Amino acid sequence: DQQVKQNSPSLSVQEGRISILNCDYTNSMFDYFLWYKKYPAEGPTFLISISSIKDKNEDGRFTVFLNKSAKHLSLHIVPSQPGDSAVYFCAASESGNTPLVFGKGTRLSVIA
Amino acid sequence: SQTIHQWPATLVQPVGSPLSLECTVEGTSNPNLYWYRQAAGRGLQLLFYSVGIGQISSEVPQNLSASRPQDRQFILSSKKLLLSDSGFYLCAWSLVDYEQYFGPGTRLTVT
Repeated sequence: DQQVKQNSPSLSVQEGRISILNCDYTNSMFDYFLWYKKYPAEGPTFLISISSIKDKNEDGRFTVFLNKSAKHLSLHIVPSQPGDSAVYFCAASESGNTPLVFGKGTRLSVIA
Repeated sequence: SQTIHQWPATLVQPVGSPLSLECTVEGTSNPNLYWYRQAAGRGLQLLFYSVGIGQISSEVPQNLSASRPQDRQFILSSKKLLLSDSGFYLCAWSLVDYEQYFGPGTRLTVT
């Protein structure tokens, strides 16, 4: 039973446009959500996070939106750049000391 | 600053051979440590995590085991590798907060 789902395995976007990556979760006890970016043959790197007490968090070109009633979060990248091409993982946690639960990832390709 | 090391970077092992992957963290004390495997189409699968020396929690029953002999050392082992053990193995650490920080990974191919 997947608690964190990224239903789009891949996404292709033109350079300069907005990339929207989606993530759904089923566990209502999750209270913290994170996005990781992963290049091939490298470990994932932390990108941005959001606590369940907020509905939006912004960091430069990256914004994460959380809709708790829909159990849905999304990552917006504006403007998209070729260097953003990577696999993006959504992750969730019930508390600060439990392992993160990851989605299967979405491969983003930004086309120049 | 904190750094995390994993080795080897790549490994090719025959079926039935043993395995030992090592992970060490520098620049922090008493971290939580994690082993993940990324297999094709399956995302990041948590294998083991540890909140202290000698404390190991297994998330998925399988052919692998983990040990934490020192505070900042985490070892992933197998006595006899299976073909299905092939994958990209990632070690990660965290303090008592939410962000986990990953190592560079080990690509294991079992032939």
